[in-house]
Amino acid sequence: AQSVTQPDIHITVSEGASLELRCNYSYGATPYLFWYVQSPGQGLQLLLKYFSGDTLVQGIKGFEAEFKRSQSSFNLRKPSVHWSDAAEYFCAVCAHGGGSYIPTFGRGTSLIVHP
Amino acid sequence: NAGVTQTPKFRILKIGQSMTLQCAQDMNHNYMYWYRQDPGMGLKLIYYSVGAGITDKGEVPNGYNVSRSTTEDFPLRLELAAPSQTSVYFCASTPVGQGSYEQYFGPGTRLTVT
Repeated sequence: AQSVTQPDIHITVSEGASLELRCNYSYGATPYLFWYVQSPGQGLQLLLKYFSGDTLVQGIKGFEAEFKRSQSSFNLRKPSVHWSDAAEYFCAVCAHGGGSYIPTFGRGTSLIVHP
Repeated sequence: NAGVTQTPKFRILKIGQSMTLQCAQDMNHNYMYWYRQDPGMGLKLIYYSVGAGITDKGEVPNGYNVSRSTTEDFPLRLELAAPSQTSVYFCASTPVGQGSYEQYFGPGTRLTVT
């Protein structure tokens, strides 16, 4: 069975500082990997995804993530955080091939941005 | 495209009442899902559907029922509402097999059971 761990419940950064949100997964092969963002009172929006190929993927709003197979990680990064990035961030993993397509979500990391 | 739409946005139910949360998508996606979101718990899958006429239980199906008579619609039925069903409910869809695999989410329904 697949699982996702987001070890940080809350992250606080100053505006303009760099950001890294951690995500570790458990799965027997290389899964599909996703990061979603949820602003208060909204649904989830896709930031970026990894299926295969280049392990550094670019997303919307200046975010990027790096897939590291050896560490079973898919950490999200941004070089300079803006106040509007304050939101909840979810990592998701999904097995693929040969069965149902059911993503598993982490518990989320709440990003707080100080001016 | 309207994407994934959900109605109502908010609802207050009394214990024991029933209601249906509506979900529709106009993207011809085959997979559809219902999740509930509780603070600090992420998303828990209630039910999902791989296509019209096919549904299956997720992680937390007790107290809920679904149907999928068309590709577009995937309503979630709550029977005999309980305070434990107070949550935010999200519907999502995915075009599995069409190369994308990302989930498209609706805006959510905030349900309070008192």
